[in-house]
Amino acid sequence: AQSVTQLDSQVPVFEEAPVELRCNYSSSVSVYLFWYVQYPNQGLQLLLKYLSGSTLVKGINGFEAEFNKSQTSFHLRKPSVHISDTAEYFCAVRLHTGGFKTIFGAGTRLFVKA
Amino acid sequence: DTAVSQTPKYLVTQMGNDKSIKCEQNLGHDTMYWYKQDSKKFLKIMFSYNNKELIINETVPNRFSPKSPDKAHLNLHINSLELGDSAVYFCASDNAADRGKAFFGQGTRLTVV
Repeated sequence: AQSVTQLDSQVPVFEEAPVELRCNYSSSVSVYLFWYVQYPNQGLQLLLKYLSGSTLVKGINGFEAEFNKSQTSFHLRKPSVHISDTAEYFCAVRLHTGGFKTIFGAGTRLFVKA
Repeated sequence: DTAVSQTPKYLVTQMGNDKSIKCEQNLGHDTMYWYKQDSKKFLKIMFSYNNKELIINETVPNRFSPKSPDKAHLNLHINSLELGDSAVYFCASDNAADRGKAFFGQGTRLTVV
């Protein structure tokens, strides 16, 4: 079975500081990896995805993530956050084969303070 | 020109009632999903339809019945609503050709009183 663990439920950070949101996954088969952002009272938006190729993936709003196969991690980073980055961030995996199921982590609430 | 639209956005109803949530996507996608997000923000897939065919049916009470009249629509009907059904329900869609990019609706906040 596949699972996704987001190691921090909440991450408070000051504006313009760097941030890392951690995500680990477990799977016996290859997976695609995603980060989604959910702003208050809105649906999810795709930030970035890793399907294959370069392990460093750049997404929207200045976010990037690095796929580390040996550590089964896909941590999300931003060098300098803004107040507007305050949101819930979800890491997700999808199997390479069969099925259309995406499994989400429990989410990390990023709270950017002035 | 909303890509994935759900109606209603808010739904407050009494226990025991039957209600439906509608979802439409205008992206030409071949796969649509329903997710449930609980009060702790945990997202869990409920159903998936590919070309109107049920692909995923997670462990969901049979009071929940999805209906896909065509590829662009996936509605969710809930019978005999219970307090525990209170959550935000998200519809999403994507394409077999690009499984990496799912588009989500704005969500329907269901409150059962």
